[in-house]
Amino acid sequence: AQSVTQLGSHVSVSEGALVLLRCNYSSSVPPYLFWYVQYPNQGLQLLLKYTSAATLVKGINGFEAEFKKSETSFHLTKPSAHMSDAAEYFCAVRGANDMRFGAGTRLTVKP
Amino acid sequence: DVKVTQSSRYLVKRTGEKVFLECVQDMDHENMFWYRQDPGLGLRLIYFSYDVKMKEKGDIPEGYSVSREKKERFSLILESASTNQTSMYLCASSSILGRGTTDTQYFGPGTRLTVL
Repeated sequence: AQSVTQLGSHVSVSEGALVLLRCNYSSSVPPYLFWYVQYPNQGLQLLLKYTSAATLVKGINGFEAEFKKSETSFHLTKPSAHMSDAAEYFCAVRGANDMRFGAGTRLTVKP
Repeated sequence: DVKVTQSSRYLVKRTGEKVFLECVQDMDHENMFWYRQDPGLGLRLIYFSYDVKMKEKGDIPEGYSVSREKKERFSLILESASTNQTSMYLCASSSILGRGTTDTQYFGPGTRLTVL
């Protein structure tokens, strides 16, 4: 069965610093992986998705993620954090006919 | 622009009440999902539906039921609400990518339910 693990329930960075949110997956088949963002009191919004076309995936708001099969990882990065990036981020892997989500990582951006 | 709407943003109910949460999507998606979201637990799948009148149990179906009479609408029902069902409820929909596999899920804004 497919699953994802997000390392770190809370991450805090300074404005302008690198953002790195970690996600490792477990899958018996080539995975389809996703990152979603949730702003306060809102639903989840798709940031980016990996569907095996390219290992480096670019998403919205300057985020990108790199699929590394050897490390079973799909970490999310952004070179320079902005205050508006403060939110909760979820990694997910597509299952047979559903989606499996990680527990989430709350990103705080300090001025 | 894709849209998933949920009937209420905030809801307060009493223990034992029957609660209906409605979700509507305008994307003609085959799949619809109900999740609950609790701090530290991420999203947990309650039920999903891959077609009208079809439903499948997710990871935590106990205490819940669902109804899908029309393709665009998926309802979550709490037959007798309890305090441990206080949570954020999220609805999502997706199309199918062949052989029953789901594509990107699109989410509604969520309903924060409090059961007193």
